Amino acid sequence: AQKVTQAQTEISVVEKEDVTLDCVYETRDTTYYLFWYKQPPSGELVFLIRRNSFDEQNEISGRYSWNFQKSTSSFNFTITASQVVDSAVYFCALLGDDKIIFGKGTRLHILP
Amino acid sequence: GAGVSQSPSNKVTEKGKDVELRCDPISGHTALYWYRQSLGQGLEFLIYFQGNSAPDKSGLPSDRFSAERTGGSVSTLTIQRTQQEDSAVYLCASSLAVTGELFFGEGSRLTVL
Repeated sequence: AQKVTQAQTEISVVEKEDVTLDCVYETRDTTYYLFWYKQPPSGELVFLIRRNSFDEQNEISGRYSWNFQKSTSSFNFTITASQVVDSAVYFCALLGDDKIIFGKGTRLHILP
Repeated sequence: GAGVSQSPSNKVTEKGKDVELRCDPISGHTALYWYRQSLGQGLEFLIYFQGNSAPDKSGLPSDRFSAERTGGSVSTLTIQRTQQEDSAVYLCASSLAVTGELFFGEGSRLTVL
């Protein structure tokens, strides 16, 4: 069975602080993909990143970075120098046996 | 348009009525997903299509829910004899391949009175 756990339901930080969103997954597949999506207040989900299970290199894109560790089945997302526009719900997702399942999301509030 | 299109964007119905929700994916996208998002909740997987076939219907909550996809394109999610607990935003997403990123529509907000 597949499962994605985002233990942090809601996080609030002050603007310019760094924040890390946790994601832990479970799968029996040896080949799988992990994703992060952002759902801003407007509601439409936006793709942020995809990572396959064979690529454990960390990735940085501007203020965003992702840390994939197979040993701990985690795929954490860090926002550096957060901005008010980063306020949104962030979802981690797993594609294993041909369907993509999502975690329950972490609601991030960036306070000015 | 170039994105995933869903209709209606809002639907208010009375308990017991049937509703149809439509999804028009991005042209050429073979994979199509339906999810349900209740207020403040995560995305609940409903069904997934590869082409016109649905390899996984395991997420459909009950036999009142059904979905089809024709011509490898448009999909319809039908809810029969709606109940109040069916109230949610129904999201459709498509991708070029099974392993690709999902492109989401804006959703259909269903309210069952």
